[in-house]
Amino acid sequence: DQQVKQNSPSLSVQEGRISILNCDYTNSMFDYFLWYKKYPAEGPTFLISISSIKDKNEDGRFTVFLNKSAKHLSLHIVPSQPGDSAVYFCASAYGGSQGNLIFGKGTKLSVKP
Amino acid sequence: DTGVSQDPRHKITKRGQNVTFRCDPISEHNRLYWYRQTLGQGPEFLTYFQNEAQLEKSRLLSDRFSAERPKGSFSTLEIQRTEQGDSAMYLCASSFLGELNGYTFGSGTRLTVV
Repeated sequence: DQQVKQNSPSLSVQEGRISILNCDYTNSMFDYFLWYKKYPAEGPTFLISISSIKDKNEDGRFTVFLNKSAKHLSLHIVPSQPGDSAVYFCASAYGGSQGNLIFGKGTKLSVKP
Repeated sequence: DTGVSQDPRHKITKRGQNVTFRCDPISEHNRLYWYRQTLGQGPEFLTYFQNEAQLEKSRLLSDRFSAERPKGSFSTLEIQRTEQGDSAMYLCASSFLGELNGYTFGSGTRLTVV
């Protein structure tokens, strides 16, 4: 059973517009959430994270929103740039997990010039 | 420090052969993790070490898989009697005491079993 779900396999956005990537989770014990970006033939690279005590975290063009009641988080990229084209993974962890991350299947973002 | 290094980057092997991968973590990181990623999936946790002790193994880690971290530095992942279903990207990550923001992945080893 998938505990972390990214239901959109792909997303295409025009350069300069907003990209919104979504993630749902089922385990209410998750208390930390991360977004990773992955280019082909490379490992995932950490992008941004959020603790369950917050509902928003911002870092430059990237903002993550957490809705605990809906068990939903989203990553907003504004403005989107062609270099943002990659696969984005949502990952979750909980306090007793010892750092083992549970990943979604990823969403492939294409930003068109 | 150049980050997490994995070797080889690619490995093609015949079914039934044994393979071994190496991971060199960031030097000050005491935790080392192995993940596997198959096509269309996110990375899936296999096992982790704190220093030289292997503290957790996923049910995905069959008895054909063995991992070691003999001196608490680099780690090896061996797959015996490889099967076609073992074809995947094997990712290594390291962190300091499970600190999540500092969790760093290597570029992975792509295994193809023919």
